[in-house]
Amino acid sequence: DAGVIQSPRHEVTEMGQEVTLRCKPISGHNSLFWYRQTMMRGLELLIYFNNNVPIDDSGMPEDRFSAKMPNASFSTLKIQPSEPRDSAVYFCASSPVTGGTQETQYFGPGTRLLVL
Amino acid sequence: AQKITQTQPGMFVQEKEAVTLDCTYDTSDPSYGLFWYKQPSSGEMIFLIYQGSYDQQNATEGRYSLNFQKARKSANLVISASQLGDSAMYFCAMRGTSSNTGKLIFGQGTTLQVKP
Repeated sequence: DAGVIQSPRHEVTEMGQEVTLRCKPISGHNSLFWYRQTMMRGLELLIYFNNNVPIDDSGMPEDRFSAKMPNASFSTLKIQPSEPRDSAVYFCASSPVTGGTQETQYFGPGTRLLVL
Repeated sequence: AQKITQTQPGMFVQEKEAVTLDCTYDTSDPSYGLFWYKQPSSGEMIFLIYQGSYDQQNATEGRYSLNFQKARKSANLVISASQLGDSAMYFCAMRGTSSNTGKLIFGQGTTLQVKP
């Protein structure tokens, strides 16, 4: 079975440009998560969807960041305008909803974003 | 507030020996789950093992086992018979149930290097 798919794997852009990151979760998984990883802040949750509905977006840094999940098999994370401090690895993860705490999140390969 | 602490920034182990990576946690949730992930230099996040707070036995998955001491709030990962391919960053994470968001809280990670 295919795991979580993310595209692009690498993105280099200039400050001020719009960046769109894409994610296809594992088929049948009801929950989708966007994380950001930096050396300074480690792994931080940006936003979490359950059945395509945003549940917790408290980690979204500011209005420049937006995320959508138009259907169960696709999500986007958009940064507009991008800034150098947005440079990071962005992970998408998905998990089944089984109830309780054993809802293992499976991560995609990540998108390495560099904003110049 | 929930918190994960990994106090070992870096660890060395000789090939074929066992190694323990420390993880302590703090939560007021009566039910929670603990996870370990491996991040090799290629960057992907690989799920290794899960322990539920009410599980009677320590979790095991192949060469990975979790030394769960609930009273001490610790969930140390034990890797037996280390292999060169085990060299990676290891993250401990926790999911509680009080917020019902599915959010994983990650520690800062421990870098493990296996020496030949």
